[in-house]
Amino acid sequence: GAGVSQSPRYKVAKRGQDVALRCDPISGHVSLFWYQQALGQGPEFLTYFQNEAQLDKSGLPSDRFFAERPEGSVSTLKIQRTQQEDSAVYLCASSLKAARTSTNTEAFFGQGTRLTVV
Amino acid sequence: GQQLNQSPQSMFIQEGEDVSMNCTSSSIFNTWLWYKQDPGEGPVLLIALYKAGELTSNGRLTAQFGITRKDSFLNISASIPSDVGIYFCAGNDYKLSFGAGTTVTVRA
Repeated sequence: GAGVSQSPRYKVAKRGQDVALRCDPISGHVSLFWYQQALGQGPEFLTYFQNEAQLDKSGLPSDRFFAERPEGSVSTLKIQRTQQEDSAVYLCASSLKAARTSTNTEAFFGQGTRLTVV
Repeated sequence: GQQLNQSPQSMFIQEGEDVSMNCTSSSIFNTWLWYKQDPGEGPVLLIALYKAGELTSNGRLTAQFGITRKDSFLNISASIPSDVGIYFCAGNDYKLSFGAGTTVTVRA
């Protein structure tokens, strides 16, 4: 498809389990963002990639959260030893240009992965 | 926590009514955006504002970027049933800072 694709759409994890969430951005998009959206809240920034470089990870809530984009396209957000407070929708967004130098480049969001930790 | 204060938190509309919501921030943003999110979907961009004081329309939607760069409002004229959803304001300093959203539902 032409849009941002995320998988899985839904994930139920037992507390303490590791999870991996995948994002396929729009082909050719330089910038990729991960956001976390708790129930009833707006999305909150987690991390930013420009191509394969992770330029900003200031929003990652703990060292249990790790993201990568090794070839500058597909990205994976990994959460180790999941906790109940990690339950949220994880949104991926991509934009055509480098976001730090082109602030008027539109970011397109995927449908998100809803993670429930039980 | 949310950096932007969005109000109202929720509202009920009747078809044909005009709808208004606003957003304030303690920080200055160079770009202000309004998104709509339907259940089970990601946010979709409605309007982008780039200049302080700018008034921009997109169909039945009108948004203004406050002169101080710390606030914005969104108006929806002549609402229709598909306008229901959650509307978010967002300040853009390359990464987005979202408000908590305004939930728009249809009045029974």
